[in-house]
Amino acid sequence: SQTIHQWPATLVQPVGSPLSLECTVEGTSNPNLYWYRQAAGRGLQLLFYSVGIGQISSEVPQNLSASRPQDRQFILSSKKLLLSDSGFYLCACTLRGAGNEKLFFGSGTQLSVL
Amino acid sequence: AQSVTQLDSQVPVFEEAPVELRCNYSSSVSVYLFWYVQYPNQGLQLLLKYLSGSTLVESINGFEAEFNKSQTSFHLRKPSVHISDTAEYFCAVSSPNTGNQFYFGTGTSLTVIP
Repeated sequence: SQTIHQWPATLVQPVGSPLSLECTVEGTSNPNLYWYRQAAGRGLQLLFYSVGIGQISSEVPQNLSASRPQDRQFILSSKKLLLSDSGFYLCACTLRGAGNEKLFFGSGTQLSVL
Repeated sequence: AQSVTQLDSQVPVFEEAPVELRCNYSSSVSVYLFWYVQYPNQGLQLLLKYLSGSTLVESINGFEAEFNKSQTSFHLRKPSVHISDTAEYFCAVSSPNTGNQFYFGTGTSLTVIP
């Protein structure tokens, strides 16, 4: 079965510093990959999704970017963090073929920008 | 476009009482519907889903939800809640027609009171 690894679990960064959050998937090939942000009282906001290596779609304009250098690796980045980037970031995937209709989530990264 | 509305942001309920968490969606195409549960500082876990067939779907821990196409609803119910049900619950919609993009509601915080 598939497993999603996210790290770090918690991160505190100063405003203006860079960011790199990594997500890797095990147990499946060619998944669709997603980055969500969860802010208090606002539910989950889809930030990026990817259907393959190097293919990134952005849902909202923002200070963040995403990359998919390998099939099962999805990276969320920023050159300069803003206070508004604080939140709980979740990586997720859907499988190819049977079972592709549901999302599997990683355990998340709590980012605090101070 | 698809969207999900969860009208109740917080639902307190006494232990062993019944509960209903409301979810309404809007979509112009056929939909898949989901309920996810999030325990503190964790990612989301799939609770139950509706893809097709029977409009009443059940989870292994006593929750059920009914797809009502005419009312565009997918309310979550449990006849008797436990302390361990305290968590954040998210309703989500996707569609086989829109490339596995998932849209989430803002969540309902269920607190079970002893």
